[in-house]
Amino acid sequence: AQTVTQSQPEMSVQEAETVTLSCTYDTSESNYYLFWYKQPPSRQMILVIRQEAYKQQNATENRFSVNFQKAAKSFSLKISDSQLGDTAMYFCALRPLGNEKLTFGTGTRLTIIP
Amino acid sequence: DVKVTQSSRYLVKRTGEKVFLECVQDMDHENMFWYRQDPGLGLRLIYFSYDVKMKEKGDIPEGYSVSREKKERFSLILESASTNQTSMYLCASSSRGRQNQPQHFGDGTRLSIL
Repeated sequence: AQTVTQSQPEMSVQEAETVTLSCTYDTSESNYYLFWYKQPPSRQMILVIRQEAYKQQNATENRFSVNFQKAAKSFSLKISDSQLGDTAMYFCALRPLGNEKLTFGTGTRLTIIP
Repeated sequence: DVKVTQSSRYLVKRTGEKVFLECVQDMDHENMFWYRQDPGLGLRLIYFSYDVKMKEKGDIPEGYSVSREKKERFSLILESASTNQTSMYLCASSSRGRQNQPQHFGDGTRLSIL
């Protein structure tokens, strides 16, 4: 069984600042995928960024990057130059190789303050 | 782009009613999922289907059933709705075997049971 823990239920930062959302996980699998999803208010959940556990290089997508620490089972999301449109619920998720199902964390509600 | 369409954004039903939530995807995905989203609990998997007429219980299947008669459509059924089933329901789909690919979500159905 897998578990995903997001210890920050809510966060808020000023526009243009950098913010880091934390995620830790537990799995007995050696190969797996990690994802960050974003759910804006009243809108569809979309993928922000993904990381393959066998890749040591941290994934980056424009202003979004991750700090993947496999030994520590940590997968944090850094948002640089935060924008008002980044206001959303953010979910961390894990999928072991060979398993079609995702395990989600409880989410972090991020508010960007103008 | 993948389109996952849920039949209703908002739904109000009474206790004891039989409730159908419909989900259709247009990308020929093998996998389809139903989640329940509650504050502080994240997304919890209710049922999963990896093929037509195939289903697998998720973490919280009690009180729910599903139907997948066609590849593109996955229905969630509340046999006898109860107030503790008031929640946001999310449908998702993904391509089987392509595990670095994300699940794609619908807009969600906010269901209230009175």
